[in-house]
Amino acid sequence: DAGVIQSPRHEVTEMGQEVTLRCKPISGHDYLFWYRQTMMRGLELLIYFNNNVPIDDSGMPEDRFSAKMPNASFSTLKIQPSEPRDSAVYFCASSQGRNEQFFGPGTRLTVL
Amino acid sequence: DQQVKQNSPSLSVQEGRISILNCDYTNSMFDYFLWYKKYPAEGPTFLISISSIKDKNEDGRFTVFLNKSAKHLSLHIVPSQPGDSAVYFCAATEGGTYKYIFGTGTRLKVLA
Repeated sequence: DAGVIQSPRHEVTEMGQEVTLRCKPISGHDYLFWYRQTMMRGLELLIYFNNNVPIDDSGMPEDRFSAKMPNASFSTLKIQPSEPRDSAVYFCASSQGRNEQFFGPGTRLTVL
Repeated sequence: DQQVKQNSPSLSVQEGRISILNCDYTNSMFDYFLWYKKYPAEGPTFLISISSIKDKNEDGRFTVFLNKSAKHLSLHIVPSQPGDSAVYFCAATEGGTYKYIFGTGTRLKVLA
């Protein structure tokens, strides 16, 4: 299995631009999670899905952030408009039930 | 407010000696705890876990100890190897949920 796939691996954009991060979970996993990693706050859960349905988005920082999962093999995290404070590494993870989560390699986002 | 705390941002240990990484939590409802290891430019990978009904779990060189009364867990690595150099995150979750609450991580450096 290829594991969790994320794209792009690096994204540099200017303040105010729209950013879309993509994730392909491990086949057969029914949970998908989006995390953000910063030095100050570590790994924070933004949102998670079960069977493509958003279950808990309480970690989404504000309305500029949105996430979708149109099918079992694809999810997006969108930031519109982006701001410099959104600069971080964004991870996608998937799991089968409550078993351990498998993380993708992450997308390093820099907003100038 | 951080519910899971790793108060040591970094730790250096000689090869062959024991590494002890610590983690404290505040939520008494947490019932499952995990340790993840993260290398640079990679996503975190699952290392070991422990349920609150146990106080110790071992897997090869890695042992996790849980002290529920103190709300404290620790990861012991014996013997430490240079390949163990990484950032270690502890995480906790509450029964019935799939949300992992992560600490901010401890960077372990094993010196050859």
